[in-house]
Amino acid sequence: AQSVAQPEDQVKVAEGNPLTVKCTYSVSGNPYLFWYVQYPNRGLQFLLKYITGDNLVKGSYGFEAEFNKSQTSFHLKKPSALVSDSALYFCAVRQGGSARQLTFGSGTQLTVLP
Amino acid sequence: EAGVAQSPRYKIIEKRQSVAFWCNPISGHATLYWYQQILGQGPKLLIQFQNNGVVDDSQLPKDRFSAERLKGVDSTLKIQPAKLEDSAVYLCASSPLSGGPLAYEQYFGPGTRLTVT
Repeated sequence: AQSVAQPEDQVKVAEGNPLTVKCTYSVSGNPYLFWYVQYPNRGLQFLLKYITGDNLVKGSYGFEAEFNKSQTSFHLKKPSALVSDSALYFCAVRQGGSARQLTFGSGTQLTVLP
Repeated sequence: EAGVAQSPRYKIIEKRQSVAFWCNPISGHATLYWYQQILGQGPKLLIQFQNNGVVDDSQLPKDRFSAERLKGVDSTLKIQPAKLEDSAVYLCASSPLSGGPLAYEQYFGPGTRLTVT
């Protein structure tokens, strides 16, 4: 079975500071990893993905994530947080090369304080 | 490019009543997904269609939930009869077939918030 853990329900950072939202995963074989963001009363928006290649993936709105195979992690990062980044963030995984679908984590609420 | 459309946005029903949700995916997207998102949890896949065929419905409670995607475009998800634990946001997503720069990306609609009383 595949699974995702987001160990922090909430993360708070000050505007302008770097932010990290943590994600670890468990999957057989090569993982395909994703980050989505959800604003209130809206659907999920795709941020970035890791399929293969460079371990550092850059995505929308200045976000990036680093794939670490030995630690089975895919943490989301941003060098300088904005108040508008405040939202609910979901990490997701699927088994690469298979028909299995996405398994989402439980989400991390990010609050950027002005 | 228009996004994934869903209706209604909100629905309140009593337990044992029936309800239906509608989804229109992004034009040209072959794959359509229905997810259930309970408050405080991540989305859980209910059913996946590729064109008008079902790829995965292993987590769909088939005694009360049904879904169809006639003509391989829009889709309807129905609950009959509803239970209190069905209160959730129902998200529809679509994606193109595998391959190319958009491979594996899913595009989500705004969701339908269902409250069962």
